[in-house]
Amino acid sequence: GENVEQHPSTLSVQEGDSAVIKCTYSDSASNYFPWYKQELGKRPQLIIDIRSNVGEKKDQRIAVTLNKTAKHFSLHITETQPEDSAVYFCAADETSYDKVIFGPGTSLSVIP
Amino acid sequence: NAGVMQNPRHLVRRRGQEARLRCSPVKGHSHVYWYRQLPEEGLKFMVYLQKENIIDESGMPKERFSAEFPKEGPSILRIQQVVRGDSAAYFCASSPQQVQETQYFGPGTRLLVL
Repeated sequence: GENVEQHPSTLSVQEGDSAVIKCTYSDSASNYFPWYKQELGKRPQLIIDIRSNVGEKKDQRIAVTLNKTAKHFSLHITETQPEDSAVYFCAADETSYDKVIFGPGTSLSVIP
Repeated sequence: NAGVMQNPRHLVRRRGQEARLRCSPVKGHSHVYWYRQLPEEGLKFMVYLQKENIIDESGMPKERFSAEFPKEGPSILRIQQVVRGDSAAYFCASSPQQVQETQYFGPGTRLLVL
């Protein structure tokens, strides 16, 4: 089955700097890669997703890149703000079954 | 995602009791997923259901845990004879049709087993 790894597990950046979170997956047939943000005590919320027919997608300060050959994808947050502090989860669909598998999460702290 | 409802939001049970968690998906969504999250850990898939059918329960313990999504009413995750290790946040999510669409999460039920 699908296995999703995520690095780093914790990340601290200064406000205004960029943050990069990287994920790898094992199922070469995976086509859908969402990213979720979970603030403390809250529900996970989708922030961006990418499908295998594109290599990059941007939404304001957030971008995601996908390298299908290497089976990895990354989340880039530019001009970080304190409200970006949260746990970020990457995920990949498991094509043999109708579900997504989540990575273990990255705890991002943006220091004012 | 504001449409997924879960109740109760907090549930306290003593060892050996039953816990019943409810999830009402976004109106019109026919796919429901349940996840368990231990403190400071990730989201672990438990079960995927469509109306009246369990599609994939590979992440759910075979004993004491069961799930249903009836034709009418919410999806129910039932834990019998709870143990302290069942203490966790349980999230459900719904999507319109299939996995390659956004999953909208509910606020979660935080289960504490004393």
